[in-house]
Amino acid sequence: KAGVTQTPRYLIKTRGQQVTLSCSPISGHRSVSWYQQTPGQGLQFLFEYFSETQRNKGNFPGRFSGRQFSNSRSEMNVSTLELGDSALYLCASRYGTTYEQYFGPGTRLTVT
Amino acid sequence: GQQVMQIPQYQHVQEGEDFTTYCNSSTTLSNIQWYKQRPGGHPVFLIQLVKSGEVKKQKRLTFQFGEAKKNSSLHITATQTTDVGTYFCAGGDTGTASKLTFGTGTRLQVTL
Repeated sequence: KAGVTQTPRYLIKTRGQQVTLSCSPISGHRSVSWYQQTPGQGLQFLFEYFSETQRNKGNFPGRFSGRQFSNSRSEMNVSTLELGDSALYLCASRYGTTYEQYFGPGTRLTVT
Repeated sequence: GQQVMQIPQYQHVQEGEDFTTYCNSSTTLSNIQWYKQRPGGHPVFLIQLVKSGEVKKQKRLTFQFGEAKKNSSLHITATQTTDVGTYFCAGGDTGTASKLTFGTGTRLQVTL
């Protein structure tokens, strides 16, 4: 079974721009969560989607948004990028009735 | 909000020595999960503990969940160089078990 895939793997953007990241979960997994990982703040939960509905949300500003499609693929959008948004953005999927999460390789975003 | 701390932040051991990392939550958890992240990689699920006082073993790894469901530990017996990485605990919220708060992580370095 293929793992979680994320595209693109690397991205360089300029402050003020917006960015969209994509995540394809493991086949059959209906839940997708997004995390931001930085050396200073560690792994922080952004939001979780299940069956196209946002189920949980972390403590991030409204510039961070997401959505999930009917095939469970998910996208995350960050508008008006700031230097502090530079991070590894990880997507994780889970089956739905279990809690263990399977992470993708991440998208490394650099904001200059 | 919920906070999960891990100690130590970093440990350097010689191959064959034992290693333990401790995880403490500010609130009671519904479940605790452990993940390992190799340098340059993404978190990989190791195990989930749900019951108070639960102990689980995976070969050289022993995981414990505290009686009050607020703390946990991971013990590795006779470390090997393949154990190198950062170990994260992640606590599930009692209200929303799938919403994980990741610990600060313990980076393990193993040398011959």
